[in-house]
Amino acid sequence: NAGVTQTPKFRILKIGQSMTLQCAQDMNHNYMYWYRQDPGMGLKLIYYSVGAGITDKGEVPNGYNVSRSTTEDFPLRLELAAPSQTSVYFCASNLRGLATDTQYFGPGTRLTVL
Amino acid sequence: KQEVTQIPAALSVPEGENLVLNCSFTDSAIYNLQWFRQDPGKGLTSLLLIQSSQREQTSGRLNASLDKSSGRSTLYIAASQPGDSATYLCAAWNSGNTPLVFGKGTRLSVIA
Repeated sequence: NAGVTQTPKFRILKIGQSMTLQCAQDMNHNYMYWYRQDPGMGLKLIYYSVGAGITDKGEVPNGYNVSRSTTEDFPLRLELAAPSQTSVYFCASNLRGLATDTQYFGPGTRLTVL
Repeated sequence: KQEVTQIPAALSVPEGENLVLNCSFTDSAIYNLQWFRQDPGKGLTSLLLIQSSQREQTSGRLNASLDKSSGRSTLYIAASQPGDSATYLCAAWNSGNTPLVFGKGTRLSVIA
């Protein structure tokens, strides 16, 4: 049981490049989330999904896209990377939705846009 | 809009000391409040989740309390150990489609 896994761990992008951050969970959770954490700040919700095929915007969705074709995977796509997207990105999941029960977090992807 | 504040931003204590971490929130109509631990370079680990109908939750040496009327929660750590060194974040949830709102965290150092 690996829990929530994320790849890559680190990435440096140039301005204008695109990339996909991968997230997978093996706990059969319906709900999955993407957060970003800027230095010295709390986490902000980017997008979330309530099940395969269903996604919704969080607090800071601009510049990102998501898809959820399977229960296990929830990739985050960055189009036209900007320095403001330099951050640590966390994927999380839980069973009963939003914050009604514990969210399980992945180890994070540290992204730098230069 | 819910706002969550954690003071102090950093705290250093000697091993064995009992300590309290503070969390305040502006909207008292919360559904639950959660405490997380974050180790450097790692993800978050859930410590305690307090429902709005509860006053406190306990897990081992950790005790979290919730006072909705004053907009405060505290995390009490008994007999602190160097392994408790980490950043502790609290987060409030107001139910519905609202996201968890996180504080910036308190960075705790327990000195041996």
